[in-house]
Amino acid sequence: DADVTQTPRNRITKTGKRIMLECSQTKGHDRMYWYRQDPGLGLRLIYYSFDVKDINKGEISDGYSVSRQAQAKFSLSLESAIPNQTALYFCATSDLNRDAGELFFGEGSRLTVL
Amino acid sequence: LAKTTQPISMDSYEGQEVNITCSHNNIATNDYITWYQQFPSQGPRFIIQGYKTKVTNEVASLFIPADRKSSTLSLPRVSLSDTAVYYCLVGDGNNDMRFGAGTRLTVKP
Repeated sequence: DADVTQTPRNRITKTGKRIMLECSQTKGHDRMYWYRQDPGLGLRLIYYSFDVKDINKGEISDGYSVSRQAQAKFSLSLESAIPNQTALYFCATSDLNRDAGELFFGEGSRLTVL
Repeated sequence: LAKTTQPISMDSYEGQEVNITCSHNNIATNDYITWYQQFPSQGPRFIIQGYKTKVTNEVASLFIPADRKSSTLSLPRVSLSDTAVYYCLVGDGNNDMRFGAGTRLTVKP
């Protein structure tokens, strides 16, 4: 089983729908991140969390919200999806106790907004 | 946050050594330099990390000059399977981890 699991892996939805992408991890890491990747481009940070009570905006947080339900779970929500949120979304984790902690990524969630 | 600059793309041939340089002029004292590899539709994967001088592991070497304003990822004897995007990140792990555009390496037969 993957250490960082994202669900769903693929989702097609319509404009205006609420969508939640879920991430769970078995690595015991405190830090979790959500990234977005558009075709041919690099990853952009949406939100990150260093522990259950800590939530921070990244580069492109507008139109997104997150919830850190537990150390192991970090969900990304699109309250009202729009077509330009069509992208590949990645969740990642890192270990608080490692210098410049290595990021461990999930397999990605491909979201299409029609 | 230290911004990184890398070449957008590079081409190489199988068996050659490939060196990808990353500029990070504003690197902070506590920052480490980390390189990741990404294949299409997969999450990035850690390759190597260093703070200064040279680091080597089973897949790559990382060269960091004394001023730490740049770093070079060296891939020895590349193969077709090394075709991927390579990202350089600079940070101490205590702030957000932002990726740049990366370098798209194409290895040709």
